[in-house]
Amino acid sequence: GQNIDQPTEMTATEGAIVQINCTYQTSGFNGLFWYQQHAGEAPTFLSYNVLDGLEEKGRFSSFLSRSKGYSYLLLKELQMKDSASYLCAVMDSNYQLIWGAGTKLIIKP
Amino acid sequence: TAGITQAPTSQILAAGRSMTLRCTQDMRHNAMYWYRQDLGLGLRLIHYSNTAGTTGKGEVPDGYSVSRANTDDFPLTLASAVPSQTSVYFCASSGTGGSYNEQFFGPGTRLTVL
Repeated sequence: GQNIDQPTEMTATEGAIVQINCTYQTSGFNGLFWYQQHAGEAPTFLSYNVLDGLEEKGRFSSFLSRSKGYSYLLLKELQMKDSASYLCAVMDSNYQLIWGAGTKLIIKP
Repeated sequence: TAGITQAPTSQILAAGRSMTLRCTQDMRHNAMYWYRQDLGLGLRLIHYSNTAGTTGKGEVPDGYSVSRANTDDFPLTLASAVPSQTSVYFCASSGTGGSYNEQFFGPGTRLTVL
């Protein structure tokens, strides 16, 4: 079966750095997405990786290792507004997104 | 721009009743999707449409039907609601059904079936 694993919840301090991991087992791979979802709102796109390596976008970076079935999202200089759930999703061989359950990130002052 | 709109925002429905959740996008996207989101579970695909006139089944299609008469609209119908269909429903769209095309999500419909 297809599976996406990510931690249920993480806590970090304002101004710090946090890394959210995602491991996956899917039938085929056509890219990995990270989305942010604030409580009660819709998911919004953060990043996309299809090749191995690091993609940097401002305070957020996303890393992919296809051979290990592994990705992480790195958030730097954490702000209170970064408190949200972060969803990892893999596009499978049918070009459908398979979603992880999300990691709830709590930022403390 | 509106992007994707969904209606209603929330609804309480008696079991056995039917209901249609509406979704409209103004981005001229070819592909549209319906997901449900339940606590502790990832988004699960119910139905999708890669282009107007075509639809496909996702991971959890039972009890739901869709139609795609035109590019903009993608309604989801529950023919006879059951309590297990209590969930938050998100409609999404993307440029095509291919690889790199981020999905844009509507604000969601919170449905409670009693």
